[in-house]
Amino acid sequence: ETGVTQTPRHLVMGMTNKKSLKCEQHLGHNAMYWYKQSAKKPLELMFVYNFKEQTENNSVPSRFSPECPNSSHLFLHLHTLQPEDSALYLCASSQDRAEGLGGQAFFGQGTRLTVV
Amino acid sequence: GQNIDQPTEMTATEGAIVQINCTYQTSGFNGLFWYQQHAGEAPTFLSYNVLDGLEEKGRFSSFLSRSKGYSYLLLKELQMKDSASYLCACNAGNMLTFGGGTRLMVKP
Repeated sequence: ETGVTQTPRHLVMGMTNKKSLKCEQHLGHNAMYWYKQSAKKPLELMFVYNFKEQTENNSVPSRFSPECPNSSHLFLHLHTLQPEDSALYLCASSQDRAEGLGGQAFFGQGTRLTVV
Repeated sequence: GQNIDQPTEMTATEGAIVQINCTYQTSGFNGLFWYQQHAGEAPTFLSYNVLDGLEEKGRFSSFLSRSKGYSYLLLKELQMKDSASYLCACNAGNMLTFGGGTRLMVKP
């Protein structure tokens, strides 16, 4: 248990569906992240939020839309996804935005997304 | 940009020692993390190096050479439960960038 909770753990959605992934942390961290982990590829950073403000958008397609209503919650809204978007989506939080050991990321268990 | 390289797979025997290497090219280097990820689970923190040298933590040690852009994770007295992916991650430019991970298989 890392203190970062993601729901749902598994999600199957059609290409025309709209769904949202949720991430919650009560570690008092100020930075939150979305990562994508595809088979045989490195963890890819998607978005970074620092003090609820989006500070990084790593050239992510607009069919992925993040939302950070407060420093404890992070959402990833999904719409009109493609089968190649099927992956494990990991949320993480850190005390600081990647500054020294404060940049240590605590990961959630991830949401296994399958787009059909 | 940043470039992080580590071997894709390694195999070792229970009770042995294994060294997983990581090389990186970054600007604004601010430390290097190692994470362990079991299949289907979240990555978990193993170690952090920001200065050159060896950091030891039980059976696991991590080494950093900033001048060479090189790190390794050393696992001693391997156990079956050490079978997992090991991710090297560079902290640079206020971002944490991960390598592809090394899948370690420990055999009896």
